Amino acid sequence: DAGITQSPRYKITETGRQVTLMCHQTWSHSYMFWYRQDLGHGLRLIYYSAAADITDKGEVPDGYVVSRSKTENFPLTLESATRSQTSVYFCASYEGLAGNNEQFFGPGTRLTVL
Amino acid sequence: KQEVTQIPAALSVPEGENLVLNCSFTDSAIYNLQWFRQDPGKGLTSLLLIQSSQREQTSGRLNASLDKSSGRSTLYIAASQPGDSATYLCAATQGGSEKLVFGKGTKLTVNP
Repeated sequence: DAGITQSPRYKITETGRQVTLMCHQTWSHSYMFWYRQDLGHGLRLIYYSAAADITDKGEVPDGYVVSRSKTENFPLTLESATRSQTSVYFCASYEGLAGNNEQFFGPGTRLTVL
Repeated sequence: KQEVTQIPAALSVPEGENLVLNCSFTDSAIYNLQWFRQDPGKGLTSLLLIQSSQREQTSGRLNASLDKSSGRSTLYIAASQPGDSATYLCAATQGGSEKLVFGKGTKLTVNP
């Protein structure tokens, strides 16, 4: 299916465990983003990537690691999960300013850290 | 640093009413501004994107305007329907970059 997918959709883990959230897009968009959404804070950018092997920090990067070895995939890893990382995580992709400027979002991953 | 504010945080209207949602941003050096819809427990759906060189965009019953000089955008919804009930999010690019900064949204309820 064309579009942007995230897996898993729901995840429960324990404090201190490593968790990886997956994001895959089929459009070959250059840019990909990870956001978290929390009550009272709205959507905040964690990391973004302008192309394969190019990543940069967003507003709230601490405790997260990203990689982008292939254009279509942008996994987000919580190296040692904490309760404060309980959130809904959204991945997005975007063609870039030279093309369609719209960001398209995945369905989200609801992560609970116990 | 770009900051985006949406007022009101919640709005309840009767079906059929025309309504306006407001969005303000602090940095006028934007590439574009995007309006999204989010249903409970779901992801974000892009509604309209306004490039910095544009004044407005229309899609069906939705019309979004942009006034960079005043740092404001409005989303106009004509003849509202119960199916329009959702949270509407506004996002503006952060000066000179592709990164979007989001407002906290307006939760709209359209009552039958």
